[in-house]
Amino acid sequence: AAGVIQSPRHLIKEKRETATLKCYPIPRHDTVYWYQQGPGQDPQFLISFYEKMQSDKGSIPDRFSAQQFSDYHSELNMSSLELGDSALYFCASSSQDAGAREQYFGPGTRLTVT
Amino acid sequence: AQKITQTQPGMFVQEKEAVTLDCTYDTSDPSYGLFWYKQPSSGEMIFLIYQGSYDQQNATEGRYSLNFQKARKSANLVISASQLGDSAMYFCAMRGPRDRDDKIIFGKGTRLHILP
Repeated sequence: AAGVIQSPRHLIKEKRETATLKCYPIPRHDTVYWYQQGPGQDPQFLISFYEKMQSDKGSIPDRFSAQQFSDYHSELNMSSLELGDSALYFCASSSQDAGAREQYFGPGTRLTVT
Repeated sequence: AQKITQTQPGMFVQEKEAVTLDCTYDTSDPSYGLFWYKQPSSGEMIFLIYQGSYDQQNATEGRYSLNFQKARKSANLVISASQLGDSAMYFCAMRGPRDRDDKIIFGKGTRLHILP
């Protein structure tokens, strides 16, 4: 079965650089969520989109922005990167029509800021 | 506000034994969902099992079952006949009412070690 695809899987950036993370949800899933998991931490919700509109916002820094496109893929844009942004970034998707009972996570993008 | 509590930071279990991972939750919403995810050392977050607050029966998925005790607000994960490949971090998580708050909040996790 198709899963959530994230790219790139690994990314190394320097402080103050920008990064773009991409997420391709499971086909026919209309909702995308972004989570950030710091080293040794539990994942924290950043932002979500339903039908290309932002549906909820968590502890996402102002330096980050995200959007969902017409093909339902989503991108997380991160600017002025800081050392503390080093983390595993997950995208998850679900289907509201199917009751949004499960959220399936992608493999994650491991971002390292040096 | 919703909250998930996992009180076992780490557990060591002999292979083939059954394992119970504890999880309690707190919410004022009558509608919510409970999840368990497995995170091996490779980092991916693997969905294991889901229990809706209105589901009458405990959820089961293969060797995984969720012991849902609504009055006690507990949602323990039971793994039967543990295997070496079960060694991983396990997160209990919940989401709020689907139409108002479907982001997931996670507990701090339990690191499970299966011993040969």
